[in-house]
Amino acid sequence: QKEVEQNSGPLSVPEGAIASLNCTYSDRGSQSFFWYRQYSGKSPELIMFIYSNGDKEDGRFTAQLNKASQYVSLLIRDSQPSDSATYLCAVAYNNDMRFGAGTRLTVKP
Amino acid sequence: GAVVSQHPSRVICKSGTSVKIECRSLDFQATTMFWYRQFPKQSLMLMATSNEGSKATYEQGVEKDKFLINHASLTLSTLTVTSAHPEDSSFYICSARVSIRGSDAEAFFGQGTRLTVV
Repeated sequence: QKEVEQNSGPLSVPEGAIASLNCTYSDRGSQSFFWYRQYSGKSPELIMFIYSNGDKEDGRFTAQLNKASQYVSLLIRDSQPSDSATYLCAVAYNNDMRFGAGTRLTVKP
Repeated sequence: GAVVSQHPSRVICKSGTSVKIECRSLDFQATTMFWYRQFPKQSLMLMATSNEGSKATYEQGVEKDKFLINHASLTLSTLTVTSAHPEDSSFYICSARVSIRGSDAEAFFGQGTRLTVV
């Protein structure tokens, strides 16, 4: 059973702080990793993807991948109230893509 | 990013009737589409994976005779909820991937369909 695990939260951070979201996966053959954001009542939207070990930065977002430890994380710098949402980690191997349960983030003004 | 259009966005139907939900990739060919169900405050639950021209692969516990999936073309997949009951009320979301890019391809999501069975 391929599993993707996330801490469901809620994770609460003050405005301007760094939010750190973590995800672990069970399938060592996983090849691609994605972070999605989902606002309440809406469908998920892609934030970032990462394929190689290390860090990948895009604006205030940094994705970190460690295949040996089977975890991927998302850092959000200078968190804003508009970042409050559920963040979904997705792991892909060929045609198969699995999502974690999501971490609910609240950024307090 | 690519656009996936899902229709209708909301539907209310009577118990015992069937409802069809359409998922279209507007500007790319999606060889693989996924159907999810999400109950309030819960995570996405994968229902089935469909590849164009072949039968859908259903997740364990999902009744294939109740949730009919058709992926007849590279741009259209449909989910039909047959003989709907109130417990089928949920948020149904489709997503599409361009499988020729292999595992690198991200999934693009439709807007979702909120089904209410009364």
